[in-house]
Amino acid sequence: DVKVTQSSRYLVKRTGEKVFLECVQDMDHENMFWYRQDPGLGLRLIYFSYDVKMKEKGDIPEGYSVSREKKERFSLILESASTNQTSMYLCASPPGTSGRGYEQYFGPGTRLTVT
Amino acid sequence: AQSVTQLDSQVPVFEEAPVELRCNYSSSVSVYLFWYVQYPNQGLQLLLKYLSGSTLVESINGFEAEFNKSQTSFHLRKPSVHISDTAEYFCAVSWMNTDKLIFGTGTRLQVFP
Repeated sequence: DVKVTQSSRYLVKRTGEKVFLECVQDMDHENMFWYRQDPGLGLRLIYFSYDVKMKEKGDIPEGYSVSREKKERFSLILESASTNQTSMYLCASPPGTSGRGYEQYFGPGTRLTVT
Repeated sequence: AQSVTQLDSQVPVFEEAPVELRCNYSSSVSVYLFWYVQYPNQGLQLLLKYLSGSTLVESINGFEAEFNKSQTSFHLRKPSVHISDTAEYFCAVSWMNTDKLIFGTGTRLQVFP
C-alpha cells in the first residue's frame, strides 16, 4: 500500500510565523503535490515537484515556497503566515504523471489555523 | 481554460434512495476522469476512474460513473445509498500529457436515516 504521511494533523500558528508542513511518501514516486482545500473552492494546486530539487508553481503559489531535498520528502513553507492561509493542506503523490491517467495518493491533511 | 464543474454543493438524501452527483468538464479532448471521496477528517481516496474502454466504470462499494463524451460529463450514481456513504465527493480531470489534475469544488452527500 502506498503511504503518504503528513507531519501534523492540526497546527495553530500566529500571524507572521514561518511555518513548515512536511510530507513523506514511501513508494519512491517522483511526483509530489501540495494542495489547499477550502469550502466551496475544492482543491487548488499550490506547488508540485517532479524530481528532487525540481519544483513548479501551481495555480496559487503566492505566499508559499517548497523544498524537495530528498525524493521521499516534499515540504511546504509559509514564509510569513497570514490569516488567509488558514486552510486544510493536502499532500499527494502519484506513481506517474496525471496526464497518463495515474491516480494521486493523498495524505490525511494538515488543518492549519493562523491567528 | 480547463475547468471542472460540480453544480451541486450539497445533496441530501434518505438512506436506500438513489443518488446522482453531477460533474461536467470543459473539453472532451483526451481526458482521464476520476471521482475521489473524502470521509470526515480524512484525506481523499480514489473511488473510481475512467481511462479508456467501456464508458461505464464501477467501484467496489456500488457506485458507478459514465463517461459521456458528447456532453463532457462524468456523473456519479448509486442506486441505493447507505449512511456510511456520507462524505464529500470530488470529480477530477486530467488532460492527456499535462502534469496536473483539475478538481471540481466538491459535492457533500448527506445520507439521512
